[in-house]
Amino acid sequence: NAGVTQTPKFQVLKTGQSMTLQCAQDMNHEYMSWYRQDPGMGLRLIHYSVGAGITDQGEVPNGYNVSRSTTEDFPLRLLSAAPSQTSVYFCASSYSFPQGGNSPLHFGNGTRLTVT
Amino acid sequence: KNQVEQSPQSLIILEGKNCTLQCNYTVSPFSNLRWYKQDTGRGPVSLTIMTFSENTKSNGRYTATLDADTKQSSLHITASQLSDSASYICVVTILNFNKFYFGSGTKLNVKP
Repeated sequence: NAGVTQTPKFQVLKTGQSMTLQCAQDMNHEYMSWYRQDPGMGLRLIHYSVGAGITDQGEVPNGYNVSRSTTEDFPLRLLSAAPSQTSVYFCASSYSFPQGGNSPLHFGNGTRLTVT
Repeated sequence: KNQVEQSPQSLIILEGKNCTLQCNYTVSPFSNLRWYKQDTGRGPVSLTIMTFSENTKSNGRYTATLDADTKQSSLHITASQLSDSASYICVVTILNFNKFYFGSGTKLNVKP
């Protein structure tokens, strides 16, 4: 099992550009989620999905879109990059849903994004 | 507001020593509490998961405790090793919401 795979590992964008961060998992997990991690702050939830075709917003969804057409893939789209979106982005998946579930959350190794 | 607070923010200890990291939470209604280890440049990795009925759970040299009445948890690391240098993140879930609540982490530096 590869676990959770994120690509690219590093990316530099200019303000206003768009891009897609890729996330794929091979564990047949229903729950998938995207987080951003900024210095001195906890991981913040951007969007999440509880299954193919179902997505919902997290704490900081503005400027980001997601879709879940398959169980395996959960791409994150930056619509028009801004310097405030400079961050490390993590994708994570879990066998069970957070509410009442005891399965661990599996993380990818992150995408380090810089917007100039 | 649901919050997870961790202390200290950072900690330096000598190799072989023990240490304890703290996590206080206000999220409700509580479902479970997790501790994760995050090495520099990597994603977090799960150490322990505890429900409200569990007081303690161990994973090798890592022992987590939970007091659901006071809403406090601790992570005790025994006989620290250089490889324990990492950030340790406390995560809480609640019963009626499909989200994880993350603390900002404690950065541990184990020196030889």
